[in-house]
Amino acid sequence: AQSVTQLGSHVSVSEGALVLLRCNYSSSVPPYLFWYVQYPNQGLQLLLKYTSAATLVKGINGFEAEFKKSETSFHLTKPSAHMSDAAEYFCAVSDNQGGKLIFGQGTELSVKP
Amino acid sequence: NAGVMQNPRHLVRRRGQEARLRCSPMKGHSHVYWYRQLPEEGLKFMVYLQKENIIDESGMPKERFSAEFPKEGPSILRIQQVVRGDSAAYFCASSPLSLRDPTNEKLFFGSGTQLSVL
Repeated sequence: AQSVTQLGSHVSVSEGALVLLRCNYSSSVPPYLFWYVQYPNQGLQLLLKYTSAATLVKGINGFEAEFKKSETSFHLTKPSAHMSDAAEYFCAVSDNQGGKLIFGQGTELSVKP
Repeated sequence: NAGVMQNPRHLVRRRGQEARLRCSPMKGHSHVYWYRQLPEEGLKFMVYLQKENIIDESGMPKERFSAEFPKEGPSILRIQQVVRGDSAAYFCASSPLSLRDPTNEKLFFGSGTQLSVL
């Protein structure tokens, strides 16, 4: 069965600093992986997804993620944090039957001025 | 093209009452997913429906919870005899295709219904 683990429920960075949100997955088949962002009182918005093409995936708002099969990781990065990046971020894997996304616990990102 | 519409945004019920949560998927989307988000937790899958059919209900509690997606009209998540532990944000998402279809873009999420049980 597929699963996702996000390391760190809260991450705090200074404005302009590197953002690194960690995600490790478990999957018995080649996975489809996703990062979503949730702003307060809103639904989830897709940041980027990996579907077995390029291992480095670029998303919206300057975010990118690299699929590393050897490490079973799909960490999300952004070179320079902006105040507007403060939100909750969820990593997800598509289950092997194609029926649903399985989400990690989420990481709340705070950005300090 | 309107996004996924969920109503109500906020729903308050007393213990023992019924809660009905509605989700209108995006136009042309025939796949609907319901997720529950408890405080300090991630989203937990509940049920996956495809027009008139329940495809996967592995995340639904065995009792009191049911879901439908009729041929006409919105998808409904129904919770009977609510308890305080049912208080959560319930999100609906829709998609035009199966998520294993490589041409599929993503799930489109609604803004959720916050259920509060007094």
